[in-house]
Amino acid sequence: AQSVTQLDSHVSVSEGTPVLLRCNYSSSYSPSLFWYVQHPNKGLQLLLKYTSAATLVKGINGFEAEFKKSETSFHLTKPSAHMSDAAEYFCVVTMNTGNQFYFGTGTSLTVIP
Amino acid sequence: GAGVSQTPSNKVTEKGKYVELRCDPISGHTALYWYRQSLGQGPEFLIYFQGTGAADDSGLPNDRFFAVRPEGSVSTLKIQRTERGDSAMYLCASSHGTSGTDTQYFGPGTRLTVL
Repeated sequence: AQSVTQLDSHVSVSEGTPVLLRCNYSSSYSPSLFWYVQHPNKGLQLLLKYTSAATLVKGINGFEAEFKKSETSFHLTKPSAHMSDAAEYFCVVTMNTGNQFYFGTGTSLTVIP
Repeated sequence: GAGVSQTPSNKVTEKGKYVELRCDPISGHTALYWYRQSLGQGPEFLIYFQGTGAADDSGLPNDRFFAVRPEGSVSTLKIQRTERGDSAMYLCASSHGTSGTDTQYFGPGTRLTVL
């Protein structure tokens, strides 16, 4: 069975400081992992994905995530937060041979000016 | 190019009524997915189409929910005898391929409110 746990429902950071959004997964098989962002009244947008290639994945807008199999984690980071990063972030796991996306419950990121 | 589109963007209906939600996937995408997102939750899988056929409908909550994709492009999610608990954001996504590594591209959603 596949599942995702996003450890923080809300994260607040000051503009210009680092961002860390935590995600742990459970998967019976080799997983693919994704991070999506959802701005208010906008559709889900892909930030980055891991599909068993390089464990450090770079995405759009300066975000990156590292796949750590030993820790079953796929945390999302960004060196310096921007006001436009304020949104809801979802970690997603799926099997490499499957189609169904399993979403975490989301982390709401607030950026303080 | 055009992304995934969904209509209507908002739908308000009364308990017991029938509703249809439409999804237009990205042209050429063979796979189409429906998800439901309740307030404060992540999206939950409902059904997945590969071409015209429903390849996996294990997420449909009960037999009041049904979806079709007759020509392998546009899909319609149909809900009969709506209940207040059906109120949620309904999301559609499409992908080019059908493996777990393929990115799913999401539409803006239809917000359904059942009074």
